[in-house]
Amino acid sequence: AQSVAQPEDQVNVAEGNPLTVKCTYSVSGNPYLFWYVQYPNRGLQFLLKYITGDNLVKGSYGFEAEFNKSQTSFHLKKPSALVSDSALYFCAVRDWGFNKFYFGSGTKLNVKP
Amino acid sequence: DAGVTQSPTHLIKTRGQQVTLRCSPKSGHDTVSWYQQALGQGPQFIFQYYEEEERQRGNFPDRFSGHQFPNYSSELNVNALLLGDSALYLCASSLGPGLSGNQPQHFGDGTRLSIL
Repeated sequence: AQSVAQPEDQVNVAEGNPLTVKCTYSVSGNPYLFWYVQYPNRGLQFLLKYITGDNLVKGSYGFEAEFNKSQTSFHLKKPSALVSDSALYFCAVRDWGFNKFYFGSGTKLNVKP
Repeated sequence: DAGVTQSPTHLIKTRGQQVTLRCSPKSGHDTVSWYQQALGQGPQFIFQYYEEEERQRGNFPDRFSGHQFPNYSSELNVNALLLGDSALYLCASSLGPGLSGNQPQHFGDGTRLSIL
């Protein structure tokens, strides 16, 4: 069975500092991993994905994620946080064989000026 | 290029009633998935429609049913509503249900359903 875990309910960072939002996964087969962001009263917006290839994946709005197979992790990162990055972030794994997703419980990112 | 659109945006119902939510997929997409997002939780997969048939189903009771139309739009129906059905219902579209679908799902802004 596919699953992801987001160990932190909330992450607080100061504007301009680097940020990391953690995600670990458990899959059978090759992992297809995704990060989505959700702003209040909105749907989910795609940030980036890892299917295969380089372990460092670059995505939208300056975000990137590092895939680590030995640690079964897919942490979301950004070198310099913005106040506008404050939102709810979800890690997801795609089911092997079907285009449906299993989401983590979400991490609320607070970026303070 | 229109994205995924859902209607209505908000809905208030009482226990025991029935509700229908609607979704139009992103242009060019033929597969529609529905998710339930309870407050403070991640989205949970309900089911997926492709070629007007339910292809995959999550762990939801038969009170949850759906339909896909020839133009790829979809409806989610929930019967005998319970208080626990209060949630944000998200529709996501993609191209194809299978392995070729390595592209991300595109989500609508959801329908907020409140059960009184």
